[in-house]
Amino acid sequence: QIQLVQSGPELKKPGESVKISCKASGYTFTDYAMHWVKQAPGKGLKWMGWINTYTGKPTYADDFKGRFVFSLEASASTANLQISNLKNEDTATYFCWGVIIRAPFDYWGQGVMVTVSS
Amino acid sequence: DIQMTQSPSFLSASVGDRVTINCKASQNINKYLNWYQQKLGEAPKRLIYNTNNLQTGIPSRFSGSGSGTDYTLTISSLQPEDFATYFCLQHNSFPLTFGSGTKLEIK
Repeated sequence: QIQLVQSGPELKKPGESVKISCKASGYTFTDYAMHWVKQAPGKGLKWMGWINTYTGKPTYADDFKGRFVFSLEASASTANLQISNLKNEDTATYFCWGVIIRAPFDYWGQGVMVTVSS
Repeated sequence: DIQMTQSPSFLSASVGDRVTINCKASQNINKYLNWYQQKLGEAPKRLIYNTNNLQTGIPSRFSGSGSGTDYTLTISSLQPEDFATYFCLQHNSFPLTFGSGTKLEIK
């Protein structure tokens, strides 16, 4: 069956970097886009952007330009999110989301909790 | 950016009740509106796509309607497993934007 399995929770200090992985299985990885969504504790969902898994081209929402990088290891059916120069406000759960938004294909990773604290 | 105003923020209801949750877009989104359910500690799960299309495996007590700027999710007869938080998502244009959520609680 189709699954997106993300890496484990992270505890980081301000200024450090973190890399989160999302491994897809059960479908052809390059057929469907991968999006990333942030959810701060007790808050709603915020779309971060997406990466074209065929071309590797990323697109970032305005609030996620600069310190955020989407990348792929297509041979391993894995998408990655790297956040540099971490800030307290980056404390959140980050979801990968394999989706065709206007069609029934819609699969989420289990989420990765990133905690930034000194 | 398109703003999504979701209401109510909290809803208290009983098993068997019919409930409606609303989302209002800041501009016409051409029925490009999805609904998600999220339970505590879990990823969101899609219920409805493109206003009124039921996602595979979702019970028929869930339905969606709307057009233009105004959209509604209806649960016809609440079941115990339906108590969760619900979000709308507009996908008419980038950036994708979610509603702020409706927490549905047991009365």
